[in-house]
Amino acid sequence: AQKITQTQPGMFVQEKEAVTLDCTYDTSDQSYGLFWYKQPSSGEMIFLIYQGSYDEQNATEGRYSLNFQKARKSANLVISASQLGDSAMYFCAMREDTLIFGQGTELSVKP
Amino acid sequence: GAGVSQTPSNKVTEKGKYVELRCDPISGHTALYWYRQSLGQGPEFLIYFQGTGAADDSGLPNDRFFAVRPEGSVSTLKIQRTERGDSAVYLCASSLSDRDETQYFGPGTRLLVL
Repeated sequence: AQKITQTQPGMFVQEKEAVTLDCTYDTSDQSYGLFWYKQPSSGEMIFLIYQGSYDEQNATEGRYSLNFQKARKSANLVISASQLGDSAMYFCAMREDTLIFGQGTELSVKP
Repeated sequence: GAGVSQTPSNKVTEKGKYVELRCDPISGHTALYWYRQSLGQGPEFLIYFQGTGAADDSGLPNDRFFAVRPEGSVSTLKIQRTERGDSAVYLCASSLSDRDETQYFGPGTRLLVL
């Protein structure tokens, strides 16, 4: 069974608009971490944001925020004020022992 | 400061050959990880080093894959008798102390086995 599910293979957003990338996870652990990484065409995985399972507040990092709904086991990434440079693959990941990645969502920002 | 570096950036080899992929972690990071990313997929865990020792090698697909980190810094991923199915991007990451810390990734090595 998939531990991390990203149901949107591709997404389009207009420049300067906000976009939400979906991620659901499956774990029976009480302590875990959730991450979002950005992978541009160059290939490097760039860390964006982290949410711990015990964190009560949603994580925010600049234009990135993580909409953490623990009961629903979802950890959606919200990007506000999209920029052309945001066009990339986005991966959700969960840390139990190892880091487990979803299949990714390809985001395209249109001018 | 410098991030994680990986060499070579691209490697083309023939089926059956031996290859070595190198990773230089962020200075001071004691934890190092190798992942493999096939086309259209997310990265998959291969092995985790804490210092010089392999703390978790459960992701290595078979005994053709081996990795070392003899001095607790640079790591080498070694693949023997390469197969076409080994073609992928091999990503290295490091974190400050252990698995509870955020992992920072290198640019990857694109391996193509002909």
